[in-house]
Amino acid sequence: EVQLVQSGAEVKKPGESLKISCKGSGYSFTSYWIGWVRQMPGKGLEWMGIIYPGDSDTRYSPSFQGQVTISADKSISTAYLQWSSLKASDTAMYYCARSATAMVYGDAFDIWGQGTMVTVSS
Amino acid sequence: QSVLTQPPSASGTPGQRVTISCSGSSSNIGSNTVNWYQQLPGTAPKLLIYSNNQRPSGVPDRFSGSKSGTSASLAISGLQSEDEADYYCAAWDDSLNGLFGGGTKLTVL
Repeated sequence: EVQLVQSGAEVKKPGESLKISCKGSGYSFTSYWIGWVRQMPGKGLEWMGIIYPGDSDTRYSPSFQGQVTISADKSISTAYLQWSSLKASDTAMYYCARSATAMVYGDAFDIWGQGTMVTVSS
Repeated sequence: QSVLTQPPSASGTPGQRVTISCSGSSSNIGSNTVNWYQQLPGTAPKLLIYSNNQRPSGVPDRFSGSKSGTSASLAISGLQSEDEADYYCAAWDDSLNGLFGGGTKLTVL
């Protein structure tokens, strides 16, 4: 079964760092782009950025450039989203999702992780 | 405010046909394909329509998509109570950034 499994919920304080993960299985992890999507409480979906695990080519939305870092470790089929200094406004559900077609950038996301809830509060 | 514009809400009674619109521009919908996602309460989004009008395996043919110029539409026929969800259109822009619409909350009356 093709699936993405994300790490568990996190509760952090402002200023702390965080790295959440997304592990792919059931397919060739290096061949499909993996994107990250933010959903703030009660709000819509926002595209944050995307990575190609095969060569770590990474693109960011202008809204998130410099705010987060997307990476991947193809040896363990895992993509990451990290913050160096969290803010209360980073409180949200974060989803990873896989592009539907191997090696194609700009495709639909056909497989989604279950989401990781990040809460930032003092 | 999202670059792709959707109505915030839509509603219909069981059995009815409802449509949800998504308006963009020449640099996104006008030059790239549109995808639609369904998000049931408390769950991750699910791909509903891709490449404007294609249904992934397992998606009922009650769901259909279309695109014309810089706008796209999702139609749901034979509305059912389990269709109550948030629906998002999505496209890529010419700068290769992903875009989502603001979402439409569908209520089945």
